[in-house]
Amino acid sequence: EAGVAQSPRYKIIEKRQSVAFWCNPISGHATLYWYQQILGQGPKLLIQFQNNGVVDDSQLPKDRFSAERLKGVDSTLKIQPAKLEDSAVYLCASSLDRAVAEAFFGQGTRLTVV
Amino acid sequence: QKEVEQDPGPLSVPEGAIVSLNCTYSNSAFQYFMWYRQYSRKGPELLMYTYSSGNKEDGRFTAQVDKSSKYISLFIRDSQPSDSATYLCAMRPNTGNQFYFGTGTSLTVIP
Repeated sequence: EAGVAQSPRYKIIEKRQSVAFWCNPISGHATLYWYQQILGQGPKLLIQFQNNGVVDDSQLPKDRFSAERLKGVDSTLKIQPAKLEDSAVYLCASSLDRAVAEAFFGQGTRLTVV
Repeated sequence: QKEVEQDPGPLSVPEGAIVSLNCTYSNSAFQYFMWYRQYSRKGPELLMYTYSSGNKEDGRFTAQVDKSSKYISLFIRDSQPSDSATYLCAMRPNTGNQFYFGTGTSLTVIP
């Protein structure tokens, strides 16, 4: 079974630029999560999708972050404009359903904002 | 107060030692408890999950949950150098949406 795929693996941008991350969850997984992991900290939820609908985006900085999951499969997370404090690893995870305990993570995209 | 507290370590043990990793939490609504292992520059990998209180064993790994104390543990027996990683605890409410993570404990097993 293929895991959660994310791209790119690394990205370096200047502040005020925009950036987009892509995630392809495990086939058949209805729930998709985007997490932000700052160095030395645990992952923090940004947004959760159930199929193509948003379940929880309460911690998403909506003035600069946006995410979509068209057709309930792949998802894109965008930051515009980026700030220095956005430097982090952005992790995508998926689970079979929101009521299922296990979530499986991709390798993440490491973003550096300079 | 953070929802989940975890000692960041670092923890360094000799090969073959028993390792104990712990988290405490404040939200009594948490019902699902998970342990993830994260190697450097990799995403978290699910090791085990437990529903409500009790113990769960999988090979060299044992997860314990004590809901009365709001305390969870992961024990690693016969630790190996390949166990060197950061261990993250995570938990969620029974019907809630998001997972709440600890900050992770960095473990090094010395050959």
